[in-house]
Amino acid sequence: QQQVKQSPQSLIVQKGGISIINCAYENTAFDYFPWYQQFPGKGPALLIAIRPDVSEKKEGRFTISFNKSAKQFSLHIMDSQPGDSATYFCAASYTGFQKLVFGTGTRLLVSP
Amino acid sequence: NAGVTQTPKFRVLKTGQSMTLLCAQDMNHEYMYWYRQDPGMGLRLIHYSVGEGTTAKGEVPDGYNVSRLKKQNFLLGLESAAPSQTSVYFCASSTSYNEQFFGPGTRLTVL
Repeated sequence: QQQVKQSPQSLIVQKGGISIINCAYENTAFDYFPWYQQFPGKGPALLIAIRPDVSEKKEGRFTISFNKSAKQFSLHIMDSQPGDSATYFCAASYTGFQKLVFGTGTRLLVSP
Repeated sequence: NAGVTQTPKFRVLKTGQSMTLLCAQDMNHEYMYWYRQDPGMGLRLIHYSVGEGTTAKGEVPDGYNVSRLKKQNFLLGLESAAPSQTSVYFCASSTSYNEQFFGPGTRLTVL
């Protein structure tokens, strides 16, 4: 019940296209859903996060869409650039849980 | 500010050897975490700490021990290394369960 399922495992998108990564969860207590970005040889870094009181959050080219009834959330990268090539992790948590549950990651490659 | 630092960056061990990985943070964060990252498995929590002097088990604690004697440091120990512990280890810190700041990682190979 604490799992977060992430798909796809890998994704290739052409420059300028839209990248979409999906995550699903079971635990309805989760109230915090961040996305982390990791470049090769580096540690993950927070990209964007959402709480379930809103259905969408946008920061620049990155948007999180949240569907509470379906228990799903997704990351959309608009106008994808080669510099966006990285591994993306979704995660979830809730107040008092003291930790994050991570998805298994999506390796994104944006071709020039 | 250095953020989260990890020592060493790389290490090769023989089966049965022991070692300690050091994590240090200069952000005065209460929470600290140790993860391992393996291909296709994502980030799996080994142990974590919610304050100085406290530790708790995560998802994959077997074969590891930790200590948090000082607020800024979190040590991960392997008493008898096994090839299954070959991985990249990340330390992270945060003020709560929210944004976690990760270190650069330690790549460990156990032969």
